[in-house]
Amino acid sequence: GAVVSQHPSRVICKSGTSVKIECRSLDFQATTMFWYRQFPKQSLMLMATSNEGSKATYEQGVEKDKFLINHASLTLSTLTVTSAHPEDSSFYICSARGASGGNEQFFGPGTRLTVL
Amino acid sequence: GQNIDQPTEMTATEGAIVQINCTYQTSGFNGLFWYQQHAGEAPTFLSYNVLDGLEEKGRFSSFLSRSKGYSYLLLKELQMKDSASYLCAVRAGGYQKVTFGTGTKLQVIP
Repeated sequence: GAVVSQHPSRVICKSGTSVKIECRSLDFQATTMFWYRQFPKQSLMLMATSNEGSKATYEQGVEKDKFLINHASLTLSTLTVTSAHPEDSSFYICSARGASGGNEQFFGPGTRLTVL
Repeated sequence: GQNIDQPTEMTATEGAIVQINCTYQTSGFNGLFWYQQHAGEAPTFLSYNVLDGLEEKGRFSSFLSRSKGYSYLLLKELQMKDSASYLCAVRAGGYQKVTFGTGTKLQVIP
């Protein structure tokens, strides 16, 4: 199957700083990427849908000014958590759909963010 | 919005069969996924159904009834490594976004 990578896999930062997470599709072009957040013992919550070359569509309750998403190319989307606080500590996972519009969504390995 | 329900936890015995149910309410339905997720890892794809009926793939099978808003994942010949969370997810709407249920934590016991 197709491969999606995320970087970093784990990050610890101080409260008030910003953190950027990268999501890359390694062997296919991803027209659409999705960003999810998962708190311990909970399911994945969709934060936003990112389409290449256009503004991301945020889910209700997700602050677009706090979670900045950029999908500048068909292989890269970034999520920046601005002015991070301890309550932003979570597992952030991206997924991607190919340009061919296949059924499967390919998930990255996730990024564990801990805000002190 | 979408409403996806599945049991929180299930326990089954090694070698047995277990069925995990999922019900959903949505508009613009365009497919249902099942994913497996081990603790601390990203989900891995198991199956996809968009038409009514049963899809079989090795030890795993998935069933869909669109009229009833119902799906199940059937796991046969359970192995200890099948202990994981199983996530039901529905794709719908204009953006074709995939929304996940709360997941079912399956524990396989000897």
